[in-house]
Amino acid sequence: DIQMTQSPASLSASLGETVTIECRASEDIYNGLAWYQQKPGKSPQLLIYNANSLHTGVPSRFSGSGSGTQYSLKINSLQSEDVASYFCQQYYDYWTFGGGTKLELK
Amino acid sequence: EVQLVESGGGLVQPGRSMKLSCAASGFTFNNYDMAWVCQAPKKGLEWVATISYDGSSTYYRDSVKGRFTISRDNAKSTLYLQMDSLRSEDTATYYCARHLGYSSVFAYWGQGTLVTVSS
Repeated sequence: DIQMTQSPASLSASLGETVTIECRASEDIYNGLAWYQQKPGKSPQLLIYNANSLHTGVPSRFSGSGSGTQYSLKINSLQSEDVASYFCQQYYDYWTFGGGTKLELK
Repeated sequence: EVQLVESGGGLVQPGRSMKLSCAASGFTFNNYDMAWVCQAPKKGLEWVATISYDGSSTYYRDSVKGRFTISRDNAKSTLYLQMDSLRSEDTATYYCARHLGYSSVFAYWGQGTLVTVSS
């Protein structure tokens, strides 16, 4: 089974700041990587797929990058509505999620 | 607008069964693979099962193989999850999700239904 390790587990940032979340796969997942946002009490929402493709309706301040086993999600100019938990997911071989990153405002 | 509405959750005793449903609307249901994903209280997300658009193929995580059955009724645009021999560790919110179509990511999610396994 492919394991996904996400870091950091929690993050505190200021409005307008740029935030980066990392995700490492236990083996090459050939860009089969997605990022989801989950706000408190809500269901997850797809942000990024194929490592760097923005899902419909997602603001352009979100971007994804990476290859092989290392991937990252970047949020430019942090907004208050970005406070949420973020999960990476590999879908190269079945489906596995990372442990999540809880993003709070400083 | 894509809508997925789960139902059927609640409190159930260990060893008993429960069947979840997910009513889909706003898209052509029989064109898309569908999935169930769960989230234990205050925990992360876990994929549970996936079914192909026509129901011919099903996939399960190891911990539910032989206990859970995913199925669909394309005429009713409804997805199901039959859960047997339930354990306390199955306690979670269960989300119905639609695959993107040209990618197997989960593009749309329902609001979830909570299953609590406890005596």
